[in-house]
Order: sequence, then structure tokens, then C-alpha cells
Amino acid sequence: AQSVAQPEDQVNVAEGNPLTVKCTYSVSGNPYLFWYVQYPNRGLQFLLKYITGDNLVKGSYGFEAEFNKSQTSFHLKKPSALVSDSALYFCAVRDLDSNYQLIWGAGTKLIIKP
Amino acid sequence: GAVVSQHPSWVICKSGTSVKIECRSLDFQATTMFWYRQFPKQSLMLMATSNEGSKATYEQGVEKDKFLINHASLTLSTLTVTSAHPEDSSFYICSAGKEGRSYNSPLHFGNGTRLTVT
Repeated sequence: AQSVAQPEDQVNVAEGNPLTVKCTYSVSGNPYLFWYVQYPNRGLQFLLKYITGDNLVKGSYGFEAEFNKSQTSFHLKKPSALVSDSALYFCAVRDLDSNYQLIWGAGTKLIIKP
Repeated sequence: GAVVSQHPSWVICKSGTSVKIECRSLDFQATTMFWYRQFPKQSLMLMATSNEGSKATYEQGVEKDKFLINHASLTLSTLTVTSAHPEDSSFYICSAGKEGRSYNSPLHFGNGTRLTVT
């Protein structure tokens, strides 16, 4: 069965510093991986996805994620954090056993301090 | 980009009453929509998969008679919380895939509905 783990409940980063939000996955077969962001009392917004190809995926708002097959990871990164990046971030993997539902990580709260 | 509209954004109701939440895909047709529930500081919990023209598929532990889902058209799905109780208070989010049943397509989410049952 597919699963996703986000090992950090919260990540604190100073504004201007690089940020990383971690995600590891477990799938049978090729993974279809996604990152979403949720602002307070809002739905989720799609950031980026990895399906195949280049291991470094670029997405919205300057975010990128690196797919690492050997480490089964898909960490979200940004070279220089903004205070407005503070939000809840979810990693997800497509559940190939249940058509195209997503399996969600627990979420990581990202706090960017000025 | 694809837009999913969810209404209302928040609602307060009395215990025992029913509340209907609408989810519309504004610029695409969605044969499948998903309904999630999110508890504070927790991830999304899939409640059910809403299929246009057929019965919804509920996840284990979700009461289908309490959470009624109707997907009458390719652009509208509704979730009705019947005989609401305070424990039903939560954040409900709908989503839809623009490209149908495609592994590659991201889901597009409504902004959610904050339900408070008093």
C-alpha cells in the first residue's frame, strides 16, 4: 500500500534563508507525487508535481522539489523564504490501488520569521 | 487555471438541523469530486468520492445517511450534513480533477466550509 510521511510537524525558518520541508513516500511502482499548500481557513492549492523526467521539479511561488528515488524522498525547497510562505504544506502520492485518489501526509506547518 | 467554488465559506447551525454545502467546478467538467474533512492541526480525511450520475463511494467509517452526497451534474456536487451535532463541527473541503481519472492531474480545491454546530 502507498503511504506518505512528513516527519516534521513544524519547520521554523528565518526570512531570506533557504527552507526545506521533508517528505518520504512508499509506493509499489512508479510514484506520482504532489505538494499542496494550505493557507489559514482556505482550501489547498497545488504547488508542483513529479510524474517522470527531471528529478528537480519547479512549481509555483518559487518552490521546487527534488525527487530522490534511492531515498524515496520528495523534499520541498525554496532558496529564499518569505514571511508570506508561512502556511501548512502537504505532500501527497497518488493511490494507484484506488483509482486516482490522493494519499496525504500529515502536513507540516511552515513558519517564516521576519 | 481550473477553479473550484465552494459555498458557503462558513456556516453556523443549531443542533438537529441540516446543512448543505455546494461544490462547483467553474471552468471544467468534473465527473469525479472528492469531499474531505479536516480536523484542527490534522491532515485531510477523505470522506467520499462523488461520481456524476451515480451513488457516491464512502470511506470506511463515514455514515452515508448522515453525510448525503449528490452529484447531479458535471459541475456540481453537494454535501448535506443531516441532523448535525456539535461533533460534526469541522472544516469541509471539496476537490475535483480537471482531467478526469488521470494519474498525472492535480486536484483543484474549493476554499472550504467551516461548519460550527451549536
